[in-house]
Order: sequence, then structure tokens, then C-alpha cells
Amino acid sequence: NAGVTQTPKFRILKIGQSMTLQCTQDMNHNYMYWYRQDPGMGLKLIYYSVGAGITDKGEVPNGYNVSRSTTEDFPLRLELAAPSQTSVYFCASSHHLTSSYNEQFFGPGTRLTVL
Amino acid sequence: QKEVEQDPGPLSVPEGAIVSLNCTYSNSAFQYFMWYRQYSRKGPELLMYTYSSGNKEDGRFTAQVDKSSKYISLFIRDSQPSDSATYLCAPGSTLGRLYFGRGTQLTVWP
Repeated sequence: NAGVTQTPKFRILKIGQSMTLQCTQDMNHNYMYWYRQDPGMGLKLIYYSVGAGITDKGEVPNGYNVSRSTTEDFPLRLELAAPSQTSVYFCASSHHLTSSYNEQFFGPGTRLTVL
Repeated sequence: QKEVEQDPGPLSVPEGAIVSLNCTYSNSAFQYFMWYRQYSRKGPELLMYTYSSGNKEDGRFTAQVDKSSKYISLFIRDSQPSDSATYLCAPGSTLGRLYFGRGTQLTVWP
């Protein structure tokens, strides 16, 4: 049981380039999330998904796109990278029950630098 | 007003000290109150959760919630160098989202 895996671990992009951050979970979780974490600023939600084919915006969606074609995978696409997107990106998943708390399991993160 | 306010510190204490970490929140709909721990260059991991006002204890850790004042606390007794990490409070509801505080960076020195 690998949990939540993310690739790549590190990436340097030039301004204007595009890339996809990969996220896979093997826990059969229905909910998945993408966060970014800037130094000293906590976690900000970019996009989330409540199941395959269903996605919704979080607090900071501009400049990003997502898709969820399977339960396991939730890739995050950066189009036209900008220096403001330099951050650490975390993917998370949870088995959401409406009657219970929502423990989110996090991946190890992707460190992205845009120069 | 932000959903969750948390002092980012940093906080530096000697080994054996009692540590108090705090958050305030604004949304009365929050029902669950989580504390995540994040070691340097790692993803956050759930440390504790509680869903009612009062205290919940787990070993050296105690989570406390006061819903009337919208105040969340985490106490660490007999702190150890291995407790050095960033601690993030994260209240949420049964709708699924968690709202993370900025995190408090804690260093426990031997």
C-alpha cells in the first residue's frame, strides 16, 4: 500500500512553459485534493474532486487545471508557468463519509521553481 | 476575515517544556478539529482530531476545543527534540474540506 504518490519530486520550469504534476492514490479514496504551500503560509486549496469526472475550484485555481478520469489519478496541469507558481505542491486524498471527520492523507510533495 | 488564524511562530523551547499551540476560527459550521504535523520537506500527517468542545488526550498530546470562543489548542507535555516540526490546525465539517491554518514552526532543543 503506497498511499499517495506524486511525481516529479522536483522540477525547474522556465516562464511560459507547461507541465503536469502527477498524483496517484491506491486507497480507493473518493476525494482528492491539490494544495500549494508557500513558506510560512500554510496550505491553500487549488482544486479538489469528489469522485471520477467531478472537480471543483478551491481558493487559488487561477493558472491551473485538473481532470479526474479514474478514482486513482488526479493530475494537476500548469499552463504558462509564472514565477508566482513557485511553491511546494501537495496532493491529498480522503475517504469521505458525510457523517464523519475527513482525514486527508498527503503525498510527499513536488517542489516547483519557475525562473 | 480568514477562516482560520494561527500564529506562525517560530517557537523554540527546551526539551521537557510544555508547549501550547493555538488557533482561532470564524466559521460556526466547523464540526471537526484536526491537528496535522509536518516534518521538514515532508507531507503533513494527521496527529489528532476532536469533534466536540473539551479535551482529548493521546499520550503527551492534548487537543482542546472551545466552540463558544472558536478557539483550538494543542498542548505537548514533556516535549522532545523529535517533536520539532510545523503544526497545522485544520478545522472542517462533514462536507469534506479542511481549512488549514498557516502552521506554527516548533523547535525543541536538547
